[in-house]
Amino acid sequence: ELKVEQNPLFLSMQEGKNYTIYCNYSTTSDRLYWYRQDPGKSLESLFVLLSNGAVKQEGRLMASLDTKARLSTLHITAAVHDLSATYFCAAASGYGNKLVFGAGTILRVKS
Amino acid sequence: NAGVTQTPKFRVLKTGQSMTLLCAQDMNHEYMYWYRQDPGMGLRLIHYSVGEGTTAKGEVPDGYNVSRLKKQNFLLGLESAAPSQTSVYFCASSYSTRYIPYEQYFGPGTRLTVT
Repeated sequence: ELKVEQNPLFLSMQEGKNYTIYCNYSTTSDRLYWYRQDPGKSLESLFVLLSNGAVKQEGRLMASLDTKARLSTLHITAAVHDLSATYFCAAASGYGNKLVFGAGTILRVKS
Repeated sequence: NAGVTQTPKFRVLKTGQSMTLLCAQDMNHEYMYWYRQDPGMGLRLIHYSVGEGTTAKGEVPDGYNVSRLKKQNFLLGLESAAPSQTSVYFCASSYSTRYIPYEQYFGPGTRLTVT
């Protein structure tokens, strides 16, 4: 059974600093997703990582995937207040592209 | 394109009442999903569908039923609501080729309270 663990679950960040969110998954999965959720809102897709060694970047966010270690990371560079949100990783499981989500990381950027 | 829409946005039910949540997508996606989101637990899959006329159970299917009579619609039913079903419900849809699945697009959510 696929399980996904994120850490940390809460991250208080200072503006301008760099941080990393880790996403571990328990069994083989070759598709890893990152989503952002603002309070009271829906989920917004950030990255889809489809192969070992995949790296994608959008603005201050960079995601990578290591399928051998069953680990994905979301790296935040020079945090700004606008990045405050909850970030979820999800791994795909079996036929139908079913997603198993981590518990989410609440990210707060303080000035 | 409206994307994925959900009806209603909010609902309060009494224990034992029934209701249906409607999800509609206008992106011609084959796959559709229903998730529930509870504090500190991320999203959990309730049921999903890989095409018109098909449905399958997800991680937490008990107490829910679904139907996909048309490709663009996916209905989630609660036959006899319980307080444990208080949650935010999200519908999602995605394309999928056999080899390269795409990301799921989520609806705005339905906040359901069962008293």
